[in-house]
Amino acid sequence: DAKTTQPTSMDCAEGRAANLPCNHSTISGNEYVYWYRQIHSQGPQYIIHGLKNNETNEMASLIITEDRKSSTLILPHATLRDTAVYYCIVFNAGGTSYGKLTFGQGTILTVHP
Amino acid sequence: EPEVTQTPSHQVTQMGQEVILRCVPISNHLYFYWYRQILGQKVEFLVSFYNNEISEKSEIFDDQFSVERPDGSNFTLKIRSTKLEDSAMYFCASRKGQGTGYTFGSGTRLTVV
Repeated sequence: DAKTTQPTSMDCAEGRAANLPCNHSTISGNEYVYWYRQIHSQGPQYIIHGLKNNETNEMASLIITEDRKSSTLILPHATLRDTAVYYCIVFNAGGTSYGKLTFGQGTILTVHP
Repeated sequence: EPEVTQTPSHQVTQMGQEVILRCVPISNHLYFYWYRQILGQKVEFLVSFYNNEISEKSEIFDDQFSVERPDGSNFTLKIRSTKLEDSAMYFCASRKGQGTGYTFGSGTRLTVV
């Protein structure tokens, strides 16, 4: 699975958009970009995923560059409850790996009042 | 919304004892996983399970570990003889199929004393 690079930490003001970048320059054609977050020591929570196109759901938007070498997770109106560690994970969801997720250190997002 | 349920939430055991961590995945999911997270460290893959057999396991998942799906609903992780370094949060996860995201449980905190 391709390696990802994320900033160690980011701050965001409550109510503003949080834009979390991720580099995955070695991504291959059949690998998806997944975003999860972990609040305290709770189980990782699925946010969104995409292959090539930009995606949006009720939680967030995912912008993937045309060359697929990087992506940005956007939380449009961050709240204090969005303070968490955010993980960008690239993996072959349909391949022989059976979907093993490899977590990095992630980005610690702190939303402040 | 469907959930992955893990029990117990916290287990304390003496070194050398056997422990069984229990999980009830989402009912129509086909792929099952165990991950662990030692305090302050990354979430690590342990094992994946599909079609009633282990499909992939990590180096951590040695002979002391085993998994079982004894009936149509439960998925268990057994540690035969616990060591101090097995102390961690253990997360169960499931997913419906290839190309879909994971749902994680809230975890079992295992403390080996």
